[in-house]
Amino acid sequence: SQQGEEDPQALSIQEGENATMNCSYKTSINNLQWYRQNSGRGLVHLILIRSNEREKHSGRLRVTLDTSKKSSSLLITASRAADTASYFCATQIQGAQKLVFGQGTRLTINP
Amino acid sequence: DAGVIQSPRHEVTEMGQEVTLRCKPISGHNSLFWYRQTMMRGLELLIYFNNNVPIDDSGMPEDRFSAKMPNASFSTLKIQPSEPRDSAVYFCASRRDRRFYGYTFGSGTRLTVV
Repeated sequence: SQQGEEDPQALSIQEGENATMNCSYKTSINNLQWYRQNSGRGLVHLILIRSNEREKHSGRLRVTLDTSKKSSSLLITASRAADTASYFCATQIQGAQKLVFGQGTRLTINP
Repeated sequence: DAGVIQSPRHEVTEMGQEVTLRCKPISGHNSLFWYRQTMMRGLELLIYFNNNVPIDDSGMPEDRFSAKMPNASFSTLKIQPSEPRDSAVYFCASRRDRRFYGYTFGSGTRLTVV
């Protein structure tokens, strides 16, 4: 079964608006990562947040992590058409090397 | 750095045929992962290697699937015999064996079994 569940499954917004995607997971984690996948391409690593961190920034990306609620959110500010892609959260469970991916959020930025 | 290189990019084969997918990880990355992506099941981890040794193959669907990593710069995923339900995009990813490192994915192999 999937460890991470993203919400919403699909999101469509206007260029310039902010996009927020959420991820929930089930077991204790070592870290949580977000990836982007453009249509027909491989996944690209965006950002990693450790289990002892609460917030992390990278450019227009802001990730939060609430381990008490077992949830994370990815905020993309000032969205651009090029941000159109699927976004996946992935969890690395404590004591394991492997990443378990959620089903992803399909983000569409309308010009 | 050429990234993770997968070949072929596309493969169309007939049911019952053997299929071999190839992956060259990034030099210096000592963990390698094979994932399968479908609309129905999303991204599934099939198997991963650490220092060329298979660590967890619990995601391999059945005996028709096998994977090898004969050296640090090459891995194969073989399906024999192939079935239509194996149609998917197969991704290889590698990472440096450090605690807080992300994965680098290849571009994937789109497999169609007819």
